[in-house]
Amino acid sequence: GAVVSQHPSWVICKSGTSVKIECRSLDFQATTMFWYRQFPKQSLMLMATSNEGSKATYEQGVEKDKFLINHASLTLSTLTVTSAHPEDSSFYICSAQTQLYGYTFGSGTRLTVV
Amino acid sequence: DQQVKQNSPSLSVQEGRISILNCDYTNSMFDYFLWYKKYPAEGPTFLISISSIKDKNEDGRFTVFLNKSAKHLSLHIVPSQPGDSAVYFCAASEAGNTGKLIFGQGTTLQVKP
Repeated sequence: GAVVSQHPSWVICKSGTSVKIECRSLDFQATTMFWYRQFPKQSLMLMATSNEGSKATYEQGVEKDKFLINHASLTLSTLTVTSAHPEDSSFYICSAQTQLYGYTFGSGTRLTVV
Repeated sequence: DQQVKQNSPSLSVQEGRISILNCDYTNSMFDYFLWYKKYPAEGPTFLISISSIKDKNEDGRFTVFLNKSAKHLSLHIVPSQPGDSAVYFCAASEAGNTGKLIFGQGTTLQVKP
């Protein structure tokens, strides 16, 4: 089946620094990638939708200049949390969408900003 | 506005019995629904899905029922096993299996031996 490799699985960073999260589709091409965020004991909230080669579409309330999404190839999408602050600490998950495989989720990244 | 709602934060069931997890939605444009199982610090694991043209889909111990008029779906797990203990999320899409997924808040299922 389809696999999305997400790295890192966890990261601790200092306040004010930037963190990049990568999601790679293995053995398949992902035209569309969704990025979600989950706070403890809460739902997975959609942050943005990215399509290869075009600008990401952000959900209401998500700062596009803070959460930079790049989907430069059909197998790689990245989310960069810029100038991270403690309130950005969360669990971030990507999901590749294809007609053949439907939705394939990464394993998630636990971000802690100190 | 929470378009997908799981009103029961938790459910406890005895091993071997049926687990019924419920989900309600408000957006009549949703046409595809999915159930996921999730452990902390891991990505969701797909369980079962249903298209709005159906009212039931079954896969092994898992059955999903859809009542479009009530905008309600449910996941039945029979028989429940201790390994089923996890958080269960329902999700919905407006564009079949190609649109963005909107998730419910999740229900924590505990299956007691």
